[in-house]
Amino acid sequence: DAGVIQSPRHEVTEMGQEVTLRCKPISGHNSLFWYRQTMMRGLELLIYFNNNVPIDDSGMPEDRFSAKMPNASFSTLKIQPSEPRDSAVYFCASSLLSDPTYEQYFGPGTRLTVT
Amino acid sequence: KQEVTQIPAALSVPEGENLVLNCSFTDSAIYNLQWFRQDPGKGLTSLLLIQSSQREQTSGRLNASLDKSSGRSTLYIAASQPGDSATYLCVSRTDSWGKLQFGAGTQVVVTP
Repeated sequence: DAGVIQSPRHEVTEMGQEVTLRCKPISGHNSLFWYRQTMMRGLELLIYFNNNVPIDDSGMPEDRFSAKMPNASFSTLKIQPSEPRDSAVYFCASSLLSDPTYEQYFGPGTRLTVT
Repeated sequence: KQEVTQIPAALSVPEGENLVLNCSFTDSAIYNLQWFRQDPGKGLTSLLLIQSSQREQTSGRLNASLDKSSGRSTLYIAASQPGDSATYLCVSRTDSWGKLQFGAGTQVVVTP
């Protein structure tokens, strides 16, 4: 398997622009997680889905952030409008609910820079 | 709310020495505890996962222990190598849905 795939790997945009990050989970996995990593706050969970349904979005910082999972093989995280403080690395992870360890597998991340 | 603390925040050792990385957590009702490695500018690589019912896990030069009663886990890396230089993250899972809590990490430098 190719693992969790994220695109783009790097994104540079200007403040006020819309940003869309994409994630393809490992085939067969039914849980998907979006994380944000910054120097100041470390790794934070933003939202997670089970069977394409959002379970907990309490980590989403503001209404400017939204996430969707239209099917089992694709998810997006959108920021609109973007701000410089959104600059961070965004990770997507997936796992299998029936796995006793419920181990999460992380993608390579998208490094977002908002100028 | 689970809090995960890692000490020390940074560590530098000469090649060949053993590494000891400490992790503490406040809520002992965990499903599992996991250690990840992160290289600069890279993603997270899982090293070891210890289930709640287990006391330790081993993989090659790596050994991780878990003591739920005291809220502690320790990652041992034997005979360190420069390639072990990275940030090591301790992560606990206390949620049946898989929600993880991350420590801030220990940045390790192994000098040749």
